[in-house]
Amino acid sequence: GDSVTQMEGPVTLSEEAFLTINCTYTATGYPSLFWYVQYPGEGLQLLLKATKADDKGSNKGFEATYRKETTSFHLEKGSVQVSDSAVYFCALKGNRDDKIIFGKGTRLHILP
Amino acid sequence: NAGVMQNPRHLVRRRGQEARLRCSPVKGHSHVYWYRQLPEEGLKFMVYLQKENIIDESGMPKERFSAEFPKEGPSILRIQQVVRGDSAAYFCASSPPGQGQGTEAFFGQGTRLTVV
Repeated sequence: GDSVTQMEGPVTLSEEAFLTINCTYTATGYPSLFWYVQYPGEGLQLLLKATKADDKGSNKGFEATYRKETTSFHLEKGSVQVSDSAVYFCALKGNRDDKIIFGKGTRLHILP
Repeated sequence: NAGVMQNPRHLVRRRGQEARLRCSPVKGHSHVYWYRQLPEEGLKFMVYLQKENIIDESGMPKERFSAEFPKEGPSILRIQQVVRGDSAAYFCASSPPGQGQGTEAFFGQGTRLTVV
């Protein structure tokens, strides 16, 4: 079945460092890909998405490019802030049904 | 515009009691998903419903758990005879109909169930 694998956390970085969180997926056909963010005690919020190969999703300085050849959707940010500390989830929505599958999440700590 | 509303936010039950978790989707959304999140773990898919129909319940335990999304009213996730291992955060998400696979789901703030 469809699945999402993302890098284990926690990831700890200093403020203004470059961030990459890796995400790869397994799916038949052409899924849509998402990154969600979860702040402490809250639900998930959509951060960005891409619906076809080579699409780049971007929001709040975060970017991710849908790479079909490597089945990847890595999340990047050029300069992180303390307020980016949260758990980040990579997810896919297959084209066979509307079920959304999530990775296990990556906890990010940004130190001032 | 109200988002996905879940209640209660926190629920404490003794072992053997029933837990009923409610989810009101975004107005106009006809698709509802339920996920379970254990401490320090990711989101585990439980069930996907459309109005009055269960589309996929492959992630739901076969016993004690049930879900419904009636024509009128909120979606309900029901856990009978709760055990300590049911303690978790339960999240509901909704999405609109007919928008294609690129449509994201909108999440509620979750219900944190504690079984004592």
